[in-house]
Amino acid sequence: DAKTTQPNSMESNEEEPVHLPCNHSTISGTDYIHWYRQLPSQGPEYVIHGLTSNVNNRMASLAIAEDRKSSTLILHRATLRDAAVYYCILRAVIQGAQKLVFGQGTRLTINP
Amino acid sequence: SAVISQKPSRDICQRGTSLTIQCQVDSQVTMMFWYRQQPGQSLTLIATANQGSEATYESGFVIDKFPISRPNLTFSTLTVSNMSPEDSSIYLCSVGQRDAKNIQYFGAGTRLSVL
Repeated sequence: DAKTTQPNSMESNEEEPVHLPCNHSTISGTDYIHWYRQLPSQGPEYVIHGLTSNVNNRMASLAIAEDRKSSTLILHRATLRDAAVYYCILRAVIQGAQKLVFGQGTRLTINP
Repeated sequence: SAVISQKPSRDICQRGTSLTIQCQVDSQVTMMFWYRQQPGQSLTLIATANQGSEATYESGFVIDKFPISRPNLTFSTLTVSNMSPEDSSIYLCSVGQRDAKNIQYFGAGTRLSVL
């Protein structure tokens, strides 16, 4: 399975931008890069995904390196509600089935 | 998007008993999955629930321990059989469509404690 590597934890201040890095050096050409986050006591929720180009949506931006071996999730202005575990995941097609294989994620703490 | 309802939200069970967890979706979906999240850990995929056929299990998970049903495109159940304290985890249902986006939506999970 394609693997991702993320820092175990990060800390930021409220209303400041947050850059969450992810390394995925074994990514294949057809793997999409997905980000999910898990708020306390909830199931994961989709944040953003991309293939090659940078992506923006109302929640975040995704910057993908030109060689696709790394990516960065950008929260432009963090709030206390953004405190969560953020998972960088490669969508893998394994034995014909599309799967999301979760790594350990980055626990993001937001300081008021 | 999809709204997922999981029942029960939590339960405390005795060793050796079984618990069936239900997952109901508000719309028809092609893919349904069951995950386990052990305390302080990330999510591990148990199986893909296939409508009208046997579920596809991941390495380390077997049908006798985690039987799964999926009678239609909006409903699935996961049973945790012959439970032991090591089965204490959060069990999550997830759904998605078989398309290029492969966005998955998750239920809030069932928090299971086995005594």
